[in-house]
Amino acid sequence: DVKVTQSSRYLVKRTGEKVFLECVQDMDHENMFWYRQDPGLGLRLIYFSYDVKMKEKGDIPEGYSVSREKKERFSLILESASTNQTSMYLCASSSTGDYGYTFGSGTRLTVV
Amino acid sequence: RKEVEQDPGPFNVPEGATVAFNCTYSNSASQSFFWYRQDCRKEPKLLMSVYSSGNEDGRFTAQLNRASQYISLLIRDSKLSDSATYLCVVNILSNNDMRFGAGTRLTVKP
Repeated sequence: DVKVTQSSRYLVKRTGEKVFLECVQDMDHENMFWYRQDPGLGLRLIYFSYDVKMKEKGDIPEGYSVSREKKERFSLILESASTNQTSMYLCASSSTGDYGYTFGSGTRLTVV
Repeated sequence: RKEVEQDPGPFNVPEGATVAFNCTYSNSASQSFFWYRQDCRKEPKLLMSVYSSGNEDGRFTAQLNRASQYISLLIRDSKLSDSATYLCVVNILSNNDMRFGAGTRLTVKP
């Protein structure tokens, strides 16, 4: 089975802190994605990547950046955390040509 | 208008009931369609793909109407374990740019 692992299940950070969310997949997938999920809004795409060192903005990239230095790892960075970034963050991966996503178990981030 | 719209529910049904969820999408160039299931405080998991001819997997039947830009999921003989949120997902581009509905919450009661 494909496994997508997110480094933390729960995080509490202070406003203004730089926050790193890590995601690792073990099935050599080309594509990786970061979403946030909020009640009533569903999943919204923040950033995605189709290859190492490649990144593309999603629908809500403001306040975020990403890094993909290795194929298996896709990091989401909150440059200066704000309370409106309190959310559930979900990482997903997929193989090109296979449209199913596999999600990590999510990181529930609270910014205080 | 949202790209993918679903009735948020909640749907509260007794065990054994048949329940149907609907979903509409706005982009006529959408190519692939899916239903995902998400349990409380868990990640979404692929339930089934949706094909133009309609497809069935046990108690679950998915239908696609491209002309009306409409997707449906039918669950027959509901089980307690079917309680979850069901997400409608549409692939807008060929490069895996998936768009998610906000989800429909189902609770199956004894």
